[in-house]
Amino acid sequence: DAKTTQPTSMDCAEGRAANLPCNHSTISGNEYVYWYRQIHSQGPQYIIHGLKNNETNEMASLIITEDRKSSTLILPHATLRDTAVYYCIVRVALGYKYIFGTGTRLKVLA
Amino acid sequence: SQTIHQWPATLVQPVGSPLSLECTVEGTSNPNLYWYRQAAGRGLQLLFYSVGIGQISSEVPQNLSASRPQDRQFILSSKKLLLSDSGFYLCAWTSGGWATNEKLFFGSGTQLSVL
Repeated sequence: DAKTTQPTSMDCAEGRAANLPCNHSTISGNEYVYWYRQIHSQGPQYIIHGLKNNETNEMASLIITEDRKSSTLILPHATLRDTAVYYCIVRVALGYKYIFGTGTRLKVLA
Repeated sequence: SQTIHQWPATLVQPVGSPLSLECTVEGTSNPNLYWYRQAAGRGLQLLFYSVGIGQISSEVPQNLSASRPQDRQFILSSKKLLLSDSGFYLCAWTSGGWATNEKLFFGSGTQLSVL
């Protein structure tokens, strides 16, 4: 199973961009990268996903390197409500599993 | 629209007692269903998943079992709870099939405390 590694924690000033990195060096060619976030005691919330190209939606942008071995989630203007644990996961090809790592605990500071 | 229901929200059970957590999905058919567990301060651990009625794949051998008696119903059970079964249990679903770009949607979770 393709594994992901993320920094344990990060801080970001309110109003600034939050850039959360993720390494997935063993990713296969047809495996998508997904990002979720979890606010304490709630189910994880879908943010964005992508395969090769950069993606943007109303919540965030996803930048995937050309070799697909790493990606960065960008929250363009972080707010206090963005304080959460962010998970980068890879959906296993030829299977149905979504394997979560330990995530990055993002703290947005006022 | 599709919704996922998971209950109860919180549960306190004594060691050695049985467990049954239920999850149902509405607004879709033939979903893939998942059970995850999250220990305090930890990441999500995949416990079971199912791609059809009566089909269960187990990821981690342990004191738990899962069943899928109906297309949109997923049940997590234990005959005798252990202290180590405490945690936050999450049910999730995706649209059925092999597509690798399906989003995973989570329920609101059950906080289980085994005392």
